[in-house]
Amino acid sequence: DAGVIQSPRHEVTEMGQEVTLRCKPISGHNSLFWYRQTMMRGLELLIYFNNNVPIDDSGMPEDRFSAKMPNASFSTLKIQPSEPRDSAVYFCASSFRQGVGNTIYFGEGSWLTVV
Amino acid sequence: GESVGLHLPTLSVQEGDNSIINCAYSNSASDYFIWYKQESGKGPQFIIDIRSNMDKRQGQRVTVLLNKTVKHLSLQIAATQPGDSAVYFCAENIIDSNYKLTFGKGTLLTVNP
Repeated sequence: DAGVIQSPRHEVTEMGQEVTLRCKPISGHNSLFWYRQTMMRGLELLIYFNNNVPIDDSGMPEDRFSAKMPNASFSTLKIQPSEPRDSAVYFCASSFRQGVGNTIYFGEGSWLTVV
Repeated sequence: GESVGLHLPTLSVQEGDNSIINCAYSNSASDYFIWYKQESGKGPQFIIDIRSNMDKRQGQRVTVLLNKTVKHLSLQIAATQPGDSAVYFCAENIIDSNYKLTFGKGTLLTVNP
């Protein structure tokens, strides 16, 4: 079975450039999450969608970050303009929400380096 | 504040030994816990979960124990293999936000041949 698919796997960009990360959740899942992982802060939830609607974006660092989910099979996380401190691994994850106890499945991550 | 933490940041074991990775949580309202394994360069991979109405659950070579009295969670890996080398995270599902997992910092398990 196909898991959560993310692209690009690696990206190196210059400060000030726009970065777009893409995600295809597991088919049939109705919840989608974007996480960021750094050595200093560990795994942080950035935003959560349920049925394509953003439910909680309190983890989004600032206005430079935005996320969309135009349909059930696609989501983007955009950083504009990017800064060196945005360098991290960005994970997309999905689950089928059915009350308490939702196993979240992660993609392989997008490794972002902003120079 | 409420948090999920790990007692040991690193654990080194010999191949064939049993491994025990520990996790403390502070939110008594949490009722669902998951262990994830993250290998180098990969995303977190689900290993096993447990609900708060249980105190033990077994999978293939892995066992999760939950002690609600002391708010402690552990992951036991039997006959540890080199392929088990990874960072292990416990995650906590908080009842009042049932979509949000709070992750611990992780424990690095190294299996020596």
